[in-house]
Amino acid sequence: EIVLTQSPATLSLSPGERATLSCRASQSVSSYLAWYQQKPGQAPRLLIYDASNRATGIPARFSGSGSGTDFTLTISSLEPEDFAVYYCQQSGTFGPGTKVDIK
Amino acid sequence: EVQLVQSGAEVKKPGESLRISCKGSGYSFTSYWISWVRQMPGKGLEWMGRIDPSDSYTNYSPSFQGHVTISADKSISTAYLQWSSLKASDTAMYYCARLFFTLTSYYFDYWGQGTLVTVSS
Repeated sequence: EIVLTQSPATLSLSPGERATLSCRASQSVSSYLAWYQQKPGQAPRLLIYDASNRATGIPARFSGSGSGTDFTLTISSLEPEDFAVYYCQQSGTFGPGTKVDIK
Repeated sequence: EVQLVQSGAEVKKPGESLRISCKGSGYSFTSYWISWVRQMPGKGLEWMGRIDPSDSYTNYSPSFQGHVTISADKSISTAYLQWSSLKASDTAMYYCARLFFTLTSYYFDYWGQGTLVTVSS
C-alpha cells in the first residue's frame, strides 16, 4: 500500500507570497498524482492531476511538478481565497494535508 | 453542468441502519464510476470504495470492506452508501465523488456537497 506524506503540516504566508507544498510517496507512483484544495465547510476541489495538469477552470497560478516519489504544488502568488487545506492523492490514498494559513 | 447532490444530514443512534444517497446529473451517469470518501471531524480524507454504475461492480478499501455497502440505481442516476449497524465512530462527513480515469490512474473531478452523519446515543 502506498503511503503519502505531506510537508509542511502548516504553512503560514502572506497574500502575494509564493507557496511551495510537498508530497512524498512511499514508492514510485510515476506521474500519477493529484492535488486538491479544501476550504472550511466545502467539499474538496481537484486542482492538478497526473502531477502537472491543471483541472478545468483552475487558475494558472497553481502548478504541479514532480515524478516518482517527490511532488510539488506551487501557488505562484497567494490570493486571499487560496488559504485552505491542500491534499495530494494517488488512487485510493490521500496524504494528510497541508494547511496554508494567513501569516 | 455536472452535479452530484447528496441527501441531507442524519442523526442516528448506535446500532441503527442508514442509507445515504448521491444523485448525479448533467452527464451520463453510467459512464463514470462514483466513489465515497469519509472525513472525520477535523481530520483528512479517506477513500472508502467505488462503484461502476453501469453494472454495479464495486471495490472497497480494506479499511471499510465489510463495514459499509456501496450500491447504485442507474435508472435514477443515484449511488448509495449504507450501514447495517452504525457505531459512534461512524460520525463523519461523507462525500461522493465522480472518478475520471487517465491511462493508469484515477482522480475525483466532481464532488457532492457532503452528508454529515452523526451517531450518538
